[in-house]
Amino acid sequence: NAGVTQTPKFQVLKTGQSMTLQCAQDMNHEYMSWYRQDPGMGLRLIHYSVGAGITDQGEVPNGYNVSRSTTEDFPLRLLSAAPSQTSVYFCASRRARGPLMNTEAFFGQGTRLTVV
Amino acid sequence: AQSVTQPDIHITVSEGASLELRCNYSYGATPYLFWYVQSPGQGLQLLLKYFSGDTLVQGIKGFEAEFKRSQSSFNLRKPSVHWSDAAEYFCAVGVLAGNNRKLIWGLGTSLAVNP
Repeated sequence: NAGVTQTPKFQVLKTGQSMTLQCAQDMNHEYMSWYRQDPGMGLRLIHYSVGAGITDQGEVPNGYNVSRSTTEDFPLRLLSAAPSQTSVYFCASRRARGPLMNTEAFFGQGTRLTVV
Repeated sequence: AQSVTQPDIHITVSEGASLELRCNYSYGATPYLFWYVQSPGQGLQLLLKYFSGDTLVQGIKGFEAEFKRSQSSFNLRKPSVHWSDAAEYFCAVGVLAGNNRKLIWGLGTSLAVNP
């Protein structure tokens, strides 16, 4: 059972470049989310999804797009990278329905992104 | 406003000493409460959680936490710290948001362990 898998683990981008951070989970979780982690600021929610075809903004959505075409995958797209997006990005998933809903979030290993 | 406060940004303890990490929250209803640990370069791993029932909950790696409603607290404890416990610890609160719950995160407490 792989859990939540994020790729790549490390990435360096030039300002203005685009890229997609991949996130996949094999636990059939309805809820998936993307966070960024910056020193002294904890975890901040970027976007989340409560199921395939449904996405919504978190607290820091600007500069990021998401889509959820399948239950398993929740990619995060940076259309035009900026130095302010240098951060560590975490994908997480959890149950959103049934008796185990909201019981635990499972995290990927993170993607360390540097924008120069 | 809903919030989670971890008052201690950084704590240093000696190996074998006891540990208590503080977490206070602001939320009008009964929350879901979580403690996560993040080892360097790793993702977050759940240590323990509280939803209802016994207010003293046991977690992995010898950790426990106690929910005190009157103090809006959910402090994490360990009686004897090991060097491998050095990590970042996050408290989170699950609050109702429509038909689901959203997680509100504390800013974390960094734990260093002296040999």
